[in-house]
Amino acid sequence: SQTIHQWPATLVQPVGSPLSLECTVEGTSNPNLYWYRQAAGRGLQLLFYSVGIGQISSEVPQNLSASRPQDRQFILSSKKLLLSDSGFYLCAWSVRDRVGGYTFGSGTRLTVV
Amino acid sequence: KNEVEQSPQNLTAQEGEFITINCSYSVGISALHWLQQHPGGGIVSLFMLSSGKKKHGRLIATINIQEKHSSLHITASHPRDSAVYICAVRLNPIELVFGKGTKLTVNP
Repeated sequence: SQTIHQWPATLVQPVGSPLSLECTVEGTSNPNLYWYRQAAGRGLQLLFYSVGIGQISSEVPQNLSASRPQDRQFILSSKKLLLSDSGFYLCAWSVRDRVGGYTFGSGTRLTVV
Repeated sequence: KNEVEQSPQNLTAQEGEFITINCSYSVGISALHWLQQHPGGGIVSLFMLSSGKKKHGRLIATINIQEKHSSLHITASHPRDSAVYICAVRLNPIELVFGKGTKLTVNP
């Protein structure tokens, strides 16, 4: 069966520190991968998506970057965190080239202090 | 730009009540998703609809493509149904636009 793992679950980081959140998918190949952010009181916002290894599309300009070093691994990074980067980050996957269901990770709650 | 509007924003019910959450959107879509987010933050996909109606246990989701409207119903609600319910519309295989969610609290 397909599963998605996301870690860590919670993270408290000082302003200016680096960030690395990791997401891996099991049980499927060639998935579309997504990073979403949910800020307090707002809906989920797509940050990045990837349709293949090394292929990253960014939806909004920001202090973050994403990488896909392997087919089923998606990493969200920052070199220097800002206070405004605080929020709830979710990884998700869907079947490529087909409108199907989404599967979400359990999320990472990031607090930048 | 497509907007997804959910109503109500907050909903409090007594155990056993029938609950309806509504979702309206403004452009043509390929599918609509209903998601459930529990207090810990994790999101579970409940339904994906492109037409008609789907039922899973006590949950029923309907969609009217012509009117650009969907509803999520919960029959015989229970405190464990307390969560945020999110409507999201699929514009294409990549783009998913989310509503802000409806916070449901079911009291015993």
